[in-house]
Amino acid sequence: NAGVTQTPKFRVLKTGQSMTLLCAQDMNHEYMYWYRQDPGMGLRLIHYSVGEGTTAKGEVPDGYNVSRLKKQNFLLGLESAAPSQTSVYFCASSPNTEAFFGQGTRLTVV
Amino acid sequence: ILNVEQSPQSLHVQEGDSTNFTCSFPSSNFYALHWYRWETAKSPEALFVMTLNGDEKKKGRISATLNTKEGYSYLYIKGSQPEDSATYLCAFEGTSYDKVIFGPGTSLSVIP
Repeated sequence: NAGVTQTPKFRVLKTGQSMTLLCAQDMNHEYMYWYRQDPGMGLRLIHYSVGEGTTAKGEVPDGYNVSRLKKQNFLLGLESAAPSQTSVYFCASSPNTEAFFGQGTRLTVV
Repeated sequence: ILNVEQSPQSLHVQEGDSTNFTCSFPSSNFYALHWYRWETAKSPEALFVMTLNGDEKKKGRISATLNTKEGYSYLYIKGSQPEDSATYLCAFEGTSYDKVIFGPGTSLSVIP
């Protein structure tokens, strides 16, 4: 049972480049989340989904887009990366209450 | 705007000391309060899920209490060990919201 898997684990982007982070869960959870974690700020919610085909904005959605075409996958896209998006990104899934986190993706935008 | 606060922001204790820290959350529309343990370069792992006022949970040397009426939860660590060094996150889940709001965390360092 893989749980929550994020790919890639590390990435370096140039300013203006685009990329997609993939989150996959095999627990049949309805809820999925994308967080970013910055030093001294804790986790901040970027976007989330309450089920297949649905997405909603979190606290810091600007500069990101998401899609949940399949229940098991939640994609986070950066259309034009900026240095301010340098962060560690965590995906999480939840059946209702407890959240299960992925291992994180460290993204550096130079 | 939901606000989940944790204090202190960081804590340094000697090995063997007992310690505690606080999570403050909205006292209305409460559904559950989560505690997570998060080690650097790893994903947060769930410690407790607390749902009832007066709840007390225990896992080894770590325990937590919950007061939903006043909106706070305490996490206690008895006889801290170096392996307890981590960031401890709490997360509020409300009945009116379909997401979990995390606090900023308390960073604990246990000095051997």
